[in-house]
Amino acid sequence: GAVVSQHPSWVICKSGTSVKIECRSLDFQATTMFWYRQFPKQSLMLMATSNEGSKATYEQGVEKDKFLINHASLTLSTLTVTSAHPEDSSFYICSGRQGSGTEAFFGQGTRLTVV
Amino acid sequence: SQKIEQNSEALNIQEGKTATLTCNYTNYSPAYLQWYRQDPGRGPVFLLLIRENEKEKRKERLKVTFDTTLKQSLFHITASQPADSATYLCAEISASKIIFGSGTRLSIRP
Repeated sequence: GAVVSQHPSWVICKSGTSVKIECRSLDFQATTMFWYRQFPKQSLMLMATSNEGSKATYEQGVEKDKFLINHASLTLSTLTVTSAHPEDSSFYICSGRQGSGTEAFFGQGTRLTVV
Repeated sequence: SQKIEQNSEALNIQEGKTATLTCNYTNYSPAYLQWYRQDPGRGPVFLLLIRENEKEKRKERLKVTFDTTLKQSLFHITASQPADSATYLCAEISASKIIFGSGTRLSIRP
């Protein structure tokens, strides 16, 4: 299957700082990127969907000014958690899809811990 | 609102038996359903996709069914092995988003 590379795999940051997570599709063009958040023993919760070159569409309850998503090219999307707080600590996962109605390929996930 | 649910949080079975996981959906009819495997601390890995006009899909020891009357998909692992232990997620896929069920944590005991 296709490969999505997500970095970093884990990060610890101080409260109030910003953290950027990168997601790259290595062998396909991801026309759509999805960003998910997963708390322990819970399922993946969709945060936002972005199409290359367009603004991201955020799910209800997700602050777009706090979670900045950029999808400037068909192979790279970034999620920046701004002014992070301890409650933002979670497992963040990106996913890329080429076209619609097809399988999505997931990154390895990023474990964010805000102290 | 549309919902996709996996009612069993955990399933524990003996090695060699067939594991059957259930995914139910309400208030809508998805055109596709997908099943993923997720290991702890990792992203989900795609296993199978089934379309609404397909009754059954197979891949090695895996089988997925799609019953639009019951609004249900079943995921089977035959001849289960301890290495099959993981969380399995069903997902509804549309043109704009992929929504996951809560997952079932499967444990295969030797």
